[in-house]
Amino acid sequence: EAQVTQNPRYLITVTGKKLTVTCSQNMNHEYMSWYRQDPGLGLRQIYYSMNVEVTDKGDVPEGYKVSRKEKRNFPLILESPSPNQTSLYFCASSLGTGLNTEAFFGQGTRLTVV
Amino acid sequence: DAKTTQPPSMDCAEGRAANLPCNHSTISGNEYVYWYRQIHSQGPQYIIHGLKNNETNEMASLIITEDRKSSTLILPHATLRDTAVYYCIVRPSGIGSYDKVIFGPGTSLSVIP
Repeated sequence: EAQVTQNPRYLITVTGKKLTVTCSQNMNHEYMSWYRQDPGLGLRQIYYSMNVEVTDKGDVPEGYKVSRKEKRNFPLILESPSPNQTSLYFCASSLGTGLNTEAFFGQGTRLTVV
Repeated sequence: DAKTTQPPSMDCAEGRAANLPCNHSTISGNEYVYWYRQIHSQGPQYIIHGLKNNETNEMASLIITEDRKSSTLILPHATLRDTAVYYCIVRPSGIGSYDKVIFGPGTSLSVIP
């Protein structure tokens, strides 16, 4: 089954404690991205990756890092989480850039930073 | 990237057609119109997309005006499970273009029994 898998689904952590949210897709997609969703602000793109070792900033990259060492994985790293990073996070993947293809989204990770 | 404008909310009676409008007056020739929906904090789900011709699939129909400045998503027989936020997005195509997806606030559709 084609899917994008995020882990964990829920996470409560303390300010400053490094964390990683994993994202994996089984569709051999080139393009992957991370979004955060906050009430009244909609979905905002954090980072995206067009292929292995190719990443770029989205609209709200501050406080986040990503890596793309393998095609299937695109982890989101918060080196020093702060309460303003409390949000619902989604990972997405699609076949490639510039193609009229749909994006597949993970089920989300609800992060709370206290 | 072209921006989109959608009404913030709509109601639809169960079993009736839901017609969700979207304005994208600054759309350029190589940009596709996509529709996604999000049911209560789940991951957004792809519905349909098109360039300039009308499109239909098992979920919905997409009507794009001839000048491509607006479109309408049609759910032919809305059910309670169609209650969701619907996002209209324009995405560039063409090899080498950056596939940055911009989500607006969308339309919150409530299907009423």
